[in-house]
Order: sequence, then structure tokens, then C-alpha cells
Amino acid sequence: DGGITQSPKYLFRKEGQNVTLSCEQNLNHDAMYWYRQDPGQGLRLIYYSQIVNDFQKGDIAEGYSVSREKKESFPLTVTSAQKNPTAFYLCASTNPGLAGYNEQFFGPGTRLTVL
Amino acid sequence: GESVGLHLPTLSVQEGDNSIINCAYSNSASDYFIWYKQESGKGPQFIIDIRSNMDKRQGQRVTVLLNKTVKHLSLQIAATQPGDSAVYFCAENNAGNMLTFGGGTRLMVKP
Repeated sequence: DGGITQSPKYLFRKEGQNVTLSCEQNLNHDAMYWYRQDPGQGLRLIYYSQIVNDFQKGDIAEGYSVSREKKESFPLTVTSAQKNPTAFYLCASTNPGLAGYNEQFFGPGTRLTVL
Repeated sequence: GESVGLHLPTLSVQEGDNSIINCAYSNSASDYFIWYKQESGKGPQFIIDIRSNMDKRQGQRVTVLLNKTVKHLSLQIAATQPGDSAVYFCAENNAGNMLTFGGGTRLMVKP
């Protein structure tokens, strides 16, 4: 899991509620990412941030929101507008290299279940 | 859109045998590829990477092969152990620090 922490590990939400998932990294990475993983499937990009105070929508941003007020933190809010939020959420970070490619380091994930 | 995919969703091997996990990619502009291992309920862990100017790279018990002619990537695990049981993802980088992930292959190691 490197220097990335996610909390909580398990989260239960009632329909209509907003919830916020925490992601913190102490790797001094500039770029951070949120992915959603459904059972038996790959990772889909929700939002990403290449620098503090800036973020971009990924492939499935609808129903989610993020902020990047600090370099080490990139919280994800799952809003009531997200119709099917039950999934495993993964946060990742990396440092852009001169060559433009670097591995992403992942956190341990948060499993969100809507009751 | 272009994407990374996998040929086999599940691979079952005997302990001690070698494993080969395959991945097809369709974006010829991709210049960097990564293999990740994900154990149940955990985040993906980096295994090995390879750049497009290489066709082979070796790590400890793992080898990644890249065939750019047919846009194919493979991960070879030597002397597979029970601890290797996991889902393996390939990912490609074709735009800065953005990764596109394949659907994953589950490796099951029989004792």
C-alpha cells in the first residue's frame, strides 16, 4: 500500500446520503486519482488531479465530486446523484516524470455499500 | 475507444509450474506498460513495468514480454507459488500519467 492511506476500509450508506472517502499520501506525489472497481471488473477512472487546486473528470465522474486543497489529500464525495454507488473505491498517486510515464501507487481501498 | 484487454479471465496452474498471463492492447501510441497484482480486498500492487523501446524485462521470478508488432503483452511467473494467487491487471500509459486498465485475469494456484 506504500504511503497511501484510505479510510474507512468499509462504509455503509443509506440511499440519499452523501458520503466522503478519504485519501492521504505522504509520498510527495503531485498527481492523485480515484478509481471505481466493480466485482470481477477492471478499474474505471472517476476523477484525477495533476496539481493542487486543480482536478479533471475521468470516464465516470457523474454523481461524484472531489477537492484538492492540499497536495497530500484528495477526498472523494459520493453524492446521492450516483445511482449505483456500491463498489470498491481505489485511490492512487504518482509523480510525473521527465519521460512522462510512471507507475501509480495504490491505497488499500474503501468498500462502499448502499443499504 | 481504444482499450487494453485480456485473453483469459481465469488461469489455473499447479504449484511449481510457470504461469503466463496475456494482455492485448489496441493503442499503438502507448509507450509504457505495467503489470499489477491485486489480492482480494486489497489495492493493486506494482509487479513490473516495461517501456515501448524494450521487448523484454525481467524481475524476480517475473518476466514481461512486449510484442509491439501484434500489440501483445505477457507476464510470465516462474515456479508459481500459492502466494501468487490473485488477479493480475495490465495497464497502458498513452497520455501523460493516465493509465488504462485491462479487465484482469484471475490466477489460481493449485497445491
